[in-house]
Amino acid sequence: QVQLQQSGPGLLKPSQTLSLTCAVYGDSVSSNSAAWNWIRQSPSRGFEWLGRTNYRSKWKSDYAVSVKSRINIKPDTSKNHFSLQLDSVTPEDTAVYYCAREVGYCSGDNCYFPYGLNVWGQGTTVTVSS
Amino acid sequence: DIQMTQSPLSLSASVGDRVTITCRASQNIRNYLNWYQHKAGKAPELLIYAASSLQSGVPSRFSGSGSGTDFTLTVSSLQPEDFATYYCQQSDSPPYTFGQGTKLEIK
Repeated sequence: QVQLQQSGPGLLKPSQTLSLTCAVYGDSVSSNSAAWNWIRQSPSRGFEWLGRTNYRSKWKSDYAVSVKSRINIKPDTSKNHFSLQLDSVTPEDTAVYYCAREVGYCSGDNCYFPYGLNVWGQGTTVTVSS
Repeated sequence: DIQMTQSPLSLSASVGDRVTITCRASQNIRNYLNWYQHKAGKAPELLIYAASSLQSGVPSRFSGSGSGTDFTLTVSSLQPEDFATYYCQQSDSPPYTFGQGTKLEIK
């Protein structure tokens, strides 16, 4: 059974960097058929997908336009986890952050993920306040 | 970005009722549409993927249909544990986007 375990601080001051880690159990972050996502939820913005990375894309990540200039999602294959880094946070970044796995398949250089976000981390409440 | 619009945003129903939630995409997403159940303080749970495929372990009273831009989630006979908020999400292409959510409450 695949499980994702999140860790990281829950309280930040404006301009600091948000860093969260998602440990993967029961699967490999280097799987050919999985992609690793970060999503957040806030009362003002609802659920907002932030980005993903996957091994088959040679770890090339896709990011939401709203955070593209300050986000980095990267794997650590030695620890079988992936991380989220969000720079220069403001109170607008206050939210519950989730990591999630999606599975799919690749044909040549193209990968398809039609099976939904089927495993989620437990969520981390992050508050940005001075 | 692809906009996802759910309706209704809230719904009151009784145990045993049949309920339907709709989700409309701002452009053709083929069948790349997923449905999640979310309860406060917990992670979302995948119910339906690819518009109509039931996720393993999810009760068969949940079903999904649709393709292109219009989709529905149906619960055939509501159980007490089904009162929650439901979200649709498109995975046709990044950036993935979610609907606003439909809060299902006990009448």
